[in-house]
Amino acid sequence: NAGVTQTPKFQVLKTGQSMTLQCAQDMNHNSMYWYRQDPGMGLRLIYYSASEGTTDKGEVPNGYNVSRLNKREFSLRLESAAPSQTSVYFCASSEAGASGRNEQFFGPGTRLTVL
Amino acid sequence: AQTVTQSQPEMSVQEAETVTLSCTYDTSESDYYLFWYKQPPSRQMILVIRQEAYKQQNATENRFSVNFQKAAKSFSLKISDSQLGDAAMYFCAFHMDSNYQLIWGAGTKLIIKP
Repeated sequence: NAGVTQTPKFQVLKTGQSMTLQCAQDMNHNSMYWYRQDPGMGLRLIYYSASEGTTDKGEVPNGYNVSRLNKREFSLRLESAAPSQTSVYFCASSEAGASGRNEQFFGPGTRLTVL
Repeated sequence: AQTVTQSQPEMSVQEAETVTLSCTYDTSESDYYLFWYKQPPSRQMILVIRQEAYKQQNATENRFSVNFQKAAKSFSLKISDSQLGDAAMYFCAFHMDSNYQLIWGAGTKLIIKP
């Protein structure tokens, strides 16, 4: 099992460019998440998908959109990148439901720089 | 709103010794979970240990144990017999039993001196 995979690992964009971060999991998990990690801060939730076909905003959704393509894949799109979106982005998945009993498994992250 | 505070930006310990990382949290909820995650230079976020708030017994995982003080809203991580591979950022996180969001502390950088 690969677990949670993310592509790309690194990306540099110019202000105003768009891009999509890809995430896939092979653990048959129902719930998936996108976080961003900024220096000196913990992770912050951007969007999550409780189950296939549903998505909801997290703590910092502005400037992002998501698509739950199928049970395995959950993508994050930046329509018009801004320097404030320079960060490390993590995708995670968990079995099902909101309970903290369901451990979240994380991908390796994507380091995004917006110039 | 729930918050998680890690007051130690950086800690160092001699190899083979014991170190304790601090975490406090603020919530009015009674049902929740607490976690310690390790993030090595590879960036991969790895779950170290988990504690259910309804359990009085402190969780242990090999060399890792927690001191959970529910009334004080404190959740510290003790690493015994520190090893060079323990060097990493350590994050404390809080999860209510009623929603999907993990609330994270800012992290503590742990340095292991050989």
